[in-house]
Amino acid sequence: QKEVEQNSGPLSVPEGAIASLNCTYSDRGSQSFFWYRQYSGKSPELIMFIYSNGDKEDGRFTAQLNKASQYVSLLIRDSQPSDSATYLCHTGGFKTIFGAGTRLFVKA
Amino acid sequence: DAGVTQSPTHLIKTRGQQVTLRCSPKSGHDTVSWYQQALGQGPQFIFQYYEEEERQRGNFPDRFSGHQFPNYSSELNVNALLLGDSALYLCASSLMTGSGELFFGEGSRLTVL
Repeated sequence: QKEVEQNSGPLSVPEGAIASLNCTYSDRGSQSFFWYRQYSGKSPELIMFIYSNGDKEDGRFTAQLNKASQYVSLLIRDSQPSDSATYLCHTGGFKTIFGAGTRLFVKA
Repeated sequence: DAGVTQSPTHLIKTRGQQVTLRCSPKSGHDTVSWYQQALGQGPQFIFQYYEEEERQRGNFPDRFSGHQFPNYSSELNVNALLLGDSALYLCASSLMTGSGELFFGEGSRLTVL
């Protein structure tokens, strides 16, 4: 079992829809979780992070964490074509493990 | 405020050669992590440097080595290059006592022929 797993996609949604990206992790000791966005040919950039169970909202983005079930998700509301990118889930802590990423395509 | 800078941006080497990649962290950061990202894959953790010492290491052979200097900048060295070492090498800086957020440089694209 990989330490951090994401569906590689591609996930395709129409413009204006909600995109839902999921990530599961195996280390129950993980305390912090980060979502990064990576455009093709570019380096990852942080979208948001979450530490506590529940939801955390930042603009069009909402991160959801469920430590009991060991998953973290990212919702993107009112998806725009500019949101088309690969989304990487990352657990903080000792070895900062990244998932393989989910490719999102937002169709205009 | 300068962000994370990496050099060179692109380089081509042949099998068996050695390469050195360089990274200057974001101002105020004290920790540098290196990642290898193959096409279509997520970043794979190579190692992390803090206080000029390797603090953590991923599943990479000893051909991969590094160094951190007193000014917090860092180098990644790869010896005896293999075709499979072709990848984007990302440097990320952070603050050891911070939130864990990583700031990435634009990467060094290594092609091994």
